[in-house]
Amino acid sequence: KAGVTQTPRYLIKTRGQQVTLSCSPISGHRSVSWYQQTPGQGLQFLFEYFSETQRNKGNFPGRFSGRQFSNSRSEMNVSTLELGDSALYLCASRPGQGARDTQYFGPGTRLTVL
Amino acid sequence: AQSVTQPDIHITVSEGASLELRCNYSYGATPYLFWYVQSPGQGLQLLLKYFSGDTLVQGIKGFEAEFKRSQSSFNLRKPSVHWSDAAEYFCAVGATGNQFYFGTGTSLTVIP
Repeated sequence: KAGVTQTPRYLIKTRGQQVTLSCSPISGHRSVSWYQQTPGQGLQFLFEYFSETQRNKGNFPGRFSGRQFSNSRSEMNVSTLELGDSALYLCASRPGQGARDTQYFGPGTRLTVL
Repeated sequence: AQSVTQPDIHITVSEGASLELRCNYSYGATPYLFWYVQSPGQGLQLLLKYFSGDTLVQGIKGFEAEFKRSQSSFNLRKPSVHWSDAAEYFCAVGATGNQFYFGTGTSLTVIP
């Protein structure tokens, strides 16, 4: 099976712009989670989608949003970018929603905000 | 509240030496525990996981981890480190509410 794919891999934006990141989960996986990774902060949970519905949300401002399509592909959007949004954004998919369902990660999208 | 602590931010070991990376968790119920590895520029790869049963679990690349309930720990070990093991390692707990909690990671440097 193909792994989790994320596009684009790298992105440079300026403050105030908005950005959309895309994630295609492993075939058959219905849950997609998004994480922000910055040095020293580790992985911060953004949100999780399952069957096109947001099921969990982390402690991020409303500028961060997401959605999931019927084919389980997911997008996340960040509006009004700030310098502090520079990070590696990771997407992870898993078959279901149980705590035992292993997450499989994509390579990430490196976002740089200038 | 659930949390995961990795006390060591950075560890340096010589190639061929043994390795132990520490992980402590805070969780009220039986935890589902994971170790992931992240190479530079890559996503996270699952090394091993613990759900129940034998407290010593084997993973890929020669890694193993031991679950100790009394110490709330899930330390990762490898008897002989290879230069290719240099990476960042993350411990995680899967909790009810379907959320995962990650430690802040331990960066491993391997010297020849």
